[in-house]
Amino acid sequence: DAGVTQSPTHLIKTRGQQVTLRCSPKSGHDTVSWYQQALGQGPQFIFQYYEEEERQRGNFPDRFSGHQFPNYSSELNVNALLLGDSALYLCASSLATSGGIVRETQYFGPGTRLLVL
Amino acid sequence: AQTVTQSQPEMSVQEAETVTLSCTYDTSENNYYLFWYKQPPSRQMILVIRQEAYKQQNATENRFSVNFQKAAKSFSLKISDSQLGDTAMYFCAFMKHRVTGGGNKLTFGTGTQLKVEL
Repeated sequence: DAGVTQSPTHLIKTRGQQVTLRCSPKSGHDTVSWYQQALGQGPQFIFQYYEEEERQRGNFPDRFSGHQFPNYSSELNVNALLLGDSALYLCASSLATSGGIVRETQYFGPGTRLLVL
Repeated sequence: AQTVTQSQPEMSVQEAETVTLSCTYDTSENNYYLFWYKQPPSRQMILVIRQEAYKQQNATENRFSVNFQKAAKSFSLKISDSQLGDTAMYFCAFMKHRVTGGGNKLTFGTGTQLKVEL
């Protein structure tokens, strides 16, 4: 049973650049959520995708955008990188029931460590 | 908005002993879910246990159990027979129960670093 996978595992960028992170959900899952975890902090919700649409968004600026593909995989894009964007970016997948209600348990990938210099 | 508070930044326990990690939360919701996730040094977030707020019975998963006090908005994690592999950051998390279509999110606490010692 394939778990949640993320790529790349590590990434180094400079301020002002743009970055794309990728996530493949657990087999059978159709909903993807993205979280940002700064060092020493708990994860913060960025947004959630279901049926290729953003269904919920956290308190993050428009520089953070995403996409979900027909195969349920997802991308997180961050434009105009700031030093403060350095963090571990976690992807989690879950399965929506009928009507798009997300089942409660989210399973996480290993994360992408982004360093902005 | 929901908040989750973990007041113990660090804890340590001897191998084979029992330890309890505390978590409190604030919400006006009546139906919700609570989770404990474990994050070892690899930083892979691993689900430990979950609790549905409508269930009075406390959840148990092998050596892990919770003490869920809905009125007090308290959700503590008890680890019995602690093992070296239990060394990790433990996060308490909250999720609303949604009855209409739409997304949902986890709200995490700041974590408790648990160290299991020989």
